Amino acid sequence: DIQLTQSPSTLSASVGARVTITCRASQSIETSLAWYQQKPGEAPNLLIYKASILESGVPSRFSGSGSGTEFTLTISSLQPDDFATYYCQQYTHYYTFGQGTKLEI
Amino acid sequence: EVQLLESGGGLVRPGGSLRLSCTASGFIFEHYAMNWVRQAPGKGLEWVSVVSDYGATTYYADSVKGRFTISRDNSKNMLFLHMSSLRDDDTATYFCAKGSMLVQGVIDHWGQGIPVTVSS
Repeated sequence: DIQLTQSPSTLSASVGARVTITCRASQSIETSLAWYQQKPGEAPNLLIYKASILESGVPSRFSGSGSGTEFTLTISSLQPDDFATYYCQQYTHYYTFGQGTKLEI
Repeated sequence: EVQLLESGGGLVRPGGSLRLSCTASGFIFEHYAMNWVRQAPGKGLEWVSVVSDYGATTYYADSVKGRFTISRDNSKNMLFLHMSSLRDDDTATYFCAKGSMLVQGVIDHWGQGIPVTVSS
């Protein structure tokens, strides 16, 4: 099974800051990686797929990069609405989620 | 607008069974793969199962293989998850989730989730 490890598990930042979350795969998944945002009590929301393609309607301050085993999600200028938990997901061999990164103020 | 509405959750004893349902609207249901994803209280997301557009192909996470069965009724725009031999660690909120047409495996819409509690 392919394992995904996100770092950090918790990230503290301020409004306006630039932040980066990393997702590492236990074996190469090429660019078969998606990122989701989840707020407390809500369902997740798709942000990025194929490692770097922004889902329609997602603000351009979100970006993704990487291939193989290392991937990043970057938020260029944090907005109050961005404080949430972020998950990566691989879909090259069945599906696996990372353990999540909680982004807090 | 895509809508996914789960039902059938609740409290069940260890070893018991439960069937979850998901009613879909706002898209051509039979064109899309559908998933179940769960989230234990205070924990992360865990993919559970997927069924292909016409139901011919199904896959399961190792943690539920042999105990859970995913199915769909395209004539009624409904997705199901039959859960048996339930254990305490199956306690979670279960999300019905629509697969993307563009990229197999990506989930582009989620229901609000339905809680399932396994406890004696």
